Amino acid sequence: GAGVSQSPRYKVAKRGQDVALRCDPISGHVSLFWYQQALGQGPEFLTYFQNEAQLDKSGLPSDRFFAERPEGSVSTLKIQRTQQEDSAVYLCASSFKGGSGTSYNEQFFGPGTRLTVL
Amino acid sequence: AQSVTQPDIHITVSEGASLELRCNYSYGATPYLFWYVQSPGQGLQLLLKYFSGDTLVQGIKGFEAEFKRSQSSFNLRKPSVHWSDAAEYFCAVGPYNQGGKLIFGQGTELSVKP
Repeated sequence: GAGVSQSPRYKVAKRGQDVALRCDPISGHVSLFWYQQALGQGPEFLTYFQNEAQLDKSGLPSDRFFAERPEGSVSTLKIQRTQQEDSAVYLCASSFKGGSGTSYNEQFFGPGTRLTVL
Repeated sequence: AQSVTQPDIHITVSEGASLELRCNYSYGATPYLFWYVQSPGQGLQLLLKYFSGDTLVQGIKGFEAEFKRSQSSFNLRKPSVHWSDAAEYFCAVGPYNQGGKLIFGQGTELSVKP
C-alpha cells in the first residue's frame, strides 16, 4: 500500500542549472498531476498525464519546464536553466479510473520536492 | 473565472474549542469539493470530499464540512480541536471526471493554543 513517492525531497540548485524531479505514482493509477506550491500559497496546476499521454500542460510557466511519463508510470519534471522564481515545492499527485465506467478525480499527493534556486 | 477563496489566512483557537474554516468557490460546472490538510514538510492529506448527496459530509480526524450551493461555500468544521490539528488547511475544487485539475485556495494556517 505504498503512496505516491517523490525524489529528491530537497534540491538546491544554482541559477542556470538544470534539475530533474521524479514522481512514483500509486501502482495502477492512470492519471498523474504536477503542481507547484510557492511559499505561503496553495498548489497550482502544472501538467496532467493519462498513462503516457500528456493531455494538459497549460500550467507550465515557461518552455523551460518539461514533463514526461514515457511508460505510463514514473514521471519526471525537468526544469532547465533554473531561475530564482522557480523556488517552490513541487507536488505530484495520482488518481485512478474505477471499473465499470466509474470516473472520479480523487487525487493522492506525494510529499513534494522542495526546490531552492540560489 | 474558476477560483477558491479562503478568507482567513491564519486562525488561532484554544484546544477543545470548536473550529470553522471558510471556503468560497467560483466554478462553472458542478463542483467536486475537497479539503486537504498539510503538516510542515508533508504532502497533502485528504480530509473529506463532496460531489453529491447529503450536503453535510464527514471526514477523517473528526472533521466535517457543509456544502451550501446558494452561498457557493464549503466550510470545514470540527467540534473540539486537538493540538495535533495545527497545520495548513486547503480547500480545492475540480471536476468529477477523471483528469481534471484541482484549483486550490491559498490556505488557512491553524494554530492551537494549549
